[in-house]
Amino acid sequence: DAKTTQPNSMESNEEEPVHLPCNHSTISGTDYIHWYRQLPSQGPEYVIHGLTSNVNNRMASLAIAEDRKSSTLILHRATLRDAAVYYCILIKYNFNKFYFGSGTKLNVKP
Amino acid sequence: DTAVSQTPKYLVTQMGNDKSIKCEQNLGHDTMYWYKQDSKKFLKIMFSYNNKELIINKTVPNRFSPKSPDKAHLNLHINSLELGDSAVYFCASSHPDRGGGNTIYFGEGSWLTVV
Repeated sequence: DAKTTQPNSMESNEEEPVHLPCNHSTISGTDYIHWYRQLPSQGPEYVIHGLTSNVNNRMASLAIAEDRKSSTLILHRATLRDAAVYYCILIKYNFNKFYFGSGTKLNVKP
Repeated sequence: DTAVSQTPKYLVTQMGNDKSIKCEQNLGHDTMYWYKQDSKKFLKIMFSYNNKELIINKTVPNRFSPKSPDKAHLNLHINSLELGDSAVYFCASSHPDRGGGNTIYFGEGSWLTVV
C-alpha cells in the first residue's frame, strides 16, 4: 500500500498562508491524494482531494507535483480554528482500503 | 442532521466486561468502517463493511466483532474488555464519488476507558 510522509509538526502565524507538504513517492496511477484534518476531540473531516491537477475549494488548495510524488496543502489564511492534525492519505477509486499516517500537527499562533 | 452518529460518546467500564458501540449513517453510503485511535493519536482501521460483507479485517483480536443489521448501521461489540482497549473509536462511512476516490465521513468518536 502506498504510504505518505509528512512532517510531525508545523507552526504558523494567524492570517498567514500555510503550506503543508506530503511525500508519496510510491504513489500509483490509480491513487487519489486526499487530505483530512482532525480538530481536537473531534473526528477527522475531509478537506480536499485531487488526482493530477491542482484543486481549490472553500477550505484550501491542493498543489500536486507533476510527477505526483508529492503534494502540498495550502491554507491561504490560517486561523486559530485551523489548528489541527492534517493527514495526507492515498485512496484508490472504488477501493475501500486506505491508511492514515501520523499526520502533521499544525499550531497557529495569534 | 448528523451524517454519522455514534453512541455512547463516553464509556467507562471494568476489565472483563462486554460492551457495544452503535453507529448509524444517514448518507446512504455503501461502506462503513470502524477506526481505533490510540493514545499516540494513530488512526488504525479495524473493520470495513460493504453491503453487509466484511471486506477488511486487519489484525484485530476476535474479541472485537462488527455487526451490521442493515446498510445504515455498523455496531462494534467488544467482549472481555482489556486495559489496552482504552482508546477513541471512530465510526465512518464512504461512497465512491465522481471526483475520484472515496470521501470518508467520520463520526465524533466514542471515548472508551477500561479500568
